[in-house]
Amino acid sequence: DIRVTQSPSSLSASVGDRVTITCRASQSISDYLSWYQHKPGKAPQLLIYAASTLQTGVPSRFSGIGSGTDFSLTISSLQPEDFAIYFCLQSFTMPYTFGQGTKVDIK
Amino acid sequence: QVQLQESGPGLVKTSETLSLTCTVSGDFIGDQYWSWLRKPPGKGLEWIGTIYSSGGTNYNPSLRSRVSMSVDTSNDQFSLKMTSVTAADTAVYYCARLGGVYDSGSYIIHFESWGQGTLVTVSS
Repeated sequence: DIRVTQSPSSLSASVGDRVTITCRASQSISDYLSWYQHKPGKAPQLLIYAASTLQTGVPSRFSGIGSGTDFSLTISSLQPEDFAIYFCLQSFTMPYTFGQGTKVDIK
Repeated sequence: QVQLQESGPGLVKTSETLSLTCTVSGDFIGDQYWSWLRKPPGKGLEWIGTIYSSGGTNYNPSLRSRVSMSVDTSNDQFSLKMTSVTAADTAVYYCARLGGVYDSGSYIIHFESWGQGTLVTVSS
């Protein structure tokens, strides 16, 4: 199975901060990576697919970059509604596998 | 906008069969791929498997011997059955719709829409 290592596991930030989360795959996955936001008790939301394509309706402060093994999600200016858990998914090969998640909370 | 809602028992006895249903609203279940995933407490998300509306399936090899999925297009539902459950199967279970995009001749999939999840506890 492809292992996806996500970091950090948690971070504290303030409104307006720039935040970056990374995922590293154990082998090349081209751009078969997507990013999700999850708030407790709610359905996870797709943010970014194919490594860098913003899902319709997602604010432009979210961006994704990467290819091969290294990927990152950046929130350019953290907003109050962005405090949540973020996770990545590789869909290059089955079984699809996820990063462990990053909890973003208020400093 | 499509909405997905998981339903089923919140408590299953050890060694018995876990059965969950996902009801799809806001879109037709046909001609699409649907998945089950889970998140055990303190662990990361795990893909369980995917089913096409016509019935074709792919399962996670780690669970394949215990898992089956089915689709009921007349009721816009798809289902998961997992046999011989243990405490390790305690998790929040999610259903999701697959989306995808063609990029340089390859089809890159992602989970486009998710349900809120349902907690299933396995206990004797």
